[in-house]
Amino acid sequence: DTGVSQDPRHKITKRGQNVTFRCDPISEHNRLYWYRQTLGQGPEFLTYFQNEAQLEKSRLLSDRFSAERPKGSFSTLEIQRTEQGDSAMYLCASSSTANEKLFFGSGTQLSVL
Amino acid sequence: GENVEQHPSTLSVQEGDSAVIKCTYSDSASNYFPWYKQELGKGPQLIIDIRSNVGEKKDQRIAVTLNKTAKHFSLHITETQPEDSAVYFCAAPSYSSASKIIFGSGTRLSIRP
Repeated sequence: DTGVSQDPRHKITKRGQNVTFRCDPISEHNRLYWYRQTLGQGPEFLTYFQNEAQLEKSRLLSDRFSAERPKGSFSTLEIQRTEQGDSAMYLCASSSTANEKLFFGSGTQLSVL
Repeated sequence: GENVEQHPSTLSVQEGDSAVIKCTYSDSASNYFPWYKQELGKGPQLIIDIRSNVGEKKDQRIAVTLNKTAKHFSLHITETQPEDSAVYFCAAPSYSSASKIIFGSGTRLSIRP
């Protein structure tokens, strides 16, 4: 499978715990994006990388959220001290610099109890 | 642009009939307008896109039209089939960063047999 893969598919955690998600983009894509999606809404931009450089972060992204993309390959998104409001689907997407077509993974569904 | 408005939020059509979903954007400099389809439990998948140098693009039963003067674009699905039932999202680049794609709030399309 050469698509975008995300792990885990589902994560249940207790409020206050830290969680980390992983995204493996399409191998030749050098741009990687994280979006968050709540029920009945469109994906909301969180951040994006070009290679290993994090070029933009949403102003809505609290300092409890951090993302990395070491070596410009896979990426991780960590949420510290989770809150119930963090419950959402976290989507990863990748694209090449040649165009803006985003290829999404199936997402990680986070539930904070 | 930063604001992408989409309507209707829900749409039900008889199998075989056509469906139309409309979006408006705020940034007149936007030049790329994709449409995504999201099925239950999956990430959004690009189904068609259009750039600002053309007014219409067609791919089999799917077409997108763009009116740059009015700043709106529409998705047209003809001869609808049960597998067209899904949530559809329009999107456009942010005025602050062309690499940041902003999504509409989605249209849930249901095809009645």
